[in-house]
Amino acid sequence: DAGVTQSPTHLIKTRGQQVTLRCSPKSGHDTVSWYQQALGQGPQFIFQYYEEEERQRGNFPDRFSGHQFPNYSSELNVNALLLGDSALYLCASVGGSSYNEQFFGPGTRLTVL
Amino acid sequence: DQQVKQNSPSLSVQEGRISILNCDYTNSMFDYFLWYKKYPAEGPTFLISISSIKDKNEDGRFTVFLNKSAKHLSLHIVPSQPGDSAVYFCAASNGGGADGLTFGKGTHLIIQP
Repeated sequence: DAGVTQSPTHLIKTRGQQVTLRCSPKSGHDTVSWYQQALGQGPQFIFQYYEEEERQRGNFPDRFSGHQFPNYSSELNVNALLLGDSALYLCASVGGSSYNEQFFGPGTRLTVL
Repeated sequence: DQQVKQNSPSLSVQEGRISILNCDYTNSMFDYFLWYKKYPAEGPTFLISISSIKDKNEDGRFTVFLNKSAKHLSLHIVPSQPGDSAVYFCAASNGGGADGLTFGKGTHLIIQP
C-alpha cells in the first residue's frame, strides 16, 4: 500500500516564475492538506482540499492556489515566486478509518534563486 | 505570534532513560493535540494524540500529558531507544486531527548510547 507520494523531489526556480507541485494521497484517503516548512521552522498550514473544493485555508496570500482532482490527487500552484518561498512543501492526506491522523509525504524541496 | 511553542530546540538523553519533550500553546480554541516525529528526508510521522477532554493518553513507550489550565503538554518516552533520535513536533487544532494543524518549531531529540 503506497503512502503519500509527492513530485518532484527537488525543484529550482527563479524569482517571478510559477511552480506546480503534485501530491497523490494514501489509498483510501479523500482529503489533502498542504504545508510549507521553512528551514528551522515547523510546518505551516497552507490549505486543505476535500471533494475538489478548498475547505480550509491558512494565512497565505492568493499567490498560493490549489486543485484537487476526482481521484483525490492534488496540486499546489505558487505564482510570482519570491525568495522567501524557498522551503520544503509537504502534502498530507487523511480519510477512511484514520480520520484523526494525517499521513505526510516526503515533501518537495523548492529553491527560489 | 507563535500559537504553539517548543522552547527547547534540542534535548540529549541517555539510552534507557526517560525523554520528556515539552510544548506550550496560547490559543484557547485548540481542542486536539498531536505529536509527530520526523527523520531527515522523510515527512513527519504521527506518533500520538490527545483530545482536550482527557489529560493523559498512553501508547506503548509513549505517553502524552495535557494540562489545560497551564496550556501545556508533554511527551514522555520510556525507555528511550537509539531509534527515537529525531525531530519531534507538537501540533494542535480546533477541529480534530484531520483539520489544518498548527505546529511548533520542533525539538531535536538525541539519544546517547
